[in-house]
Amino acid sequence: GNSVTQMEGPVTLSEEAFLTINCTYTATGYPSLFWYVQYPGEGLQLLLKATKADDKGSNKGFEATYRKETTSFHLEKGSVQVSDSAVYFCALSGWTSGSRLTFGEGTQLTVNP
Amino acid sequence: DVKVTQSSRYLVKRTGEKVFLECVQDMDHENMFWYRQDPGLGLRLIYFSYDVKMKEKGDIPEGYSVSREKKERFSLILESASTNQTSMYLCASSFASSGRFYEQYFGPGTRLTVT
Repeated sequence: GNSVTQMEGPVTLSEEAFLTINCTYTATGYPSLFWYVQYPGEGLQLLLKATKADDKGSNKGFEATYRKETTSFHLEKGSVQVSDSAVYFCALSGWTSGSRLTFGEGTQLTVNP
Repeated sequence: DVKVTQSSRYLVKRTGEKVFLECVQDMDHENMFWYRQDPGLGLRLIYFSYDVKMKEKGDIPEGYSVSREKKERFSLILESASTNQTSMYLCASSFASSGRFYEQYFGPGTRLTVT
């Protein structure tokens, strides 16, 4: 079946630091890949997505590239802000799951001023 | 913008009560989902629905039921609430997969406490 493995947290950075959160997946065929963000006390918001190999999703300064050869979809941001403090979830949807999403465990990010 | 709304942000109920959590989406999505989120356990799918009056069990359906009488509304029912159902409940919706895999859009969540 499908699975998503995320880098374990929590991650603590200083403002303006570079962020990488690793995500690797196992799936049959060509899944779609997503990053979601959850701010404290709120639901999940779609941050970015990629639907085919070599696609780059980007939003709010965050980027992730769909790498079929390494089955990865790492999240990056060049300069984080205090307001980026949240939990980040990697997820996929693919042929064996239809409309269902398979989520990673989530990575808590804290950015200090 | 897609909007998914949930009837309550916070809810406190007593053990044994019947609890209704309501979710409404305004994007004409075919699919709707109910998750619960607990520390250390991530998001777990309770039930989903791919059409009106259709439902499928997710990973943890025990103790829950659902109802979808209209396309835009999906209700989660706790028949007899128990303390181990204290959790954050998240509703989501998406278009149906048909050779493409669509993202899900989430509501703000309902934090349910059962005492």
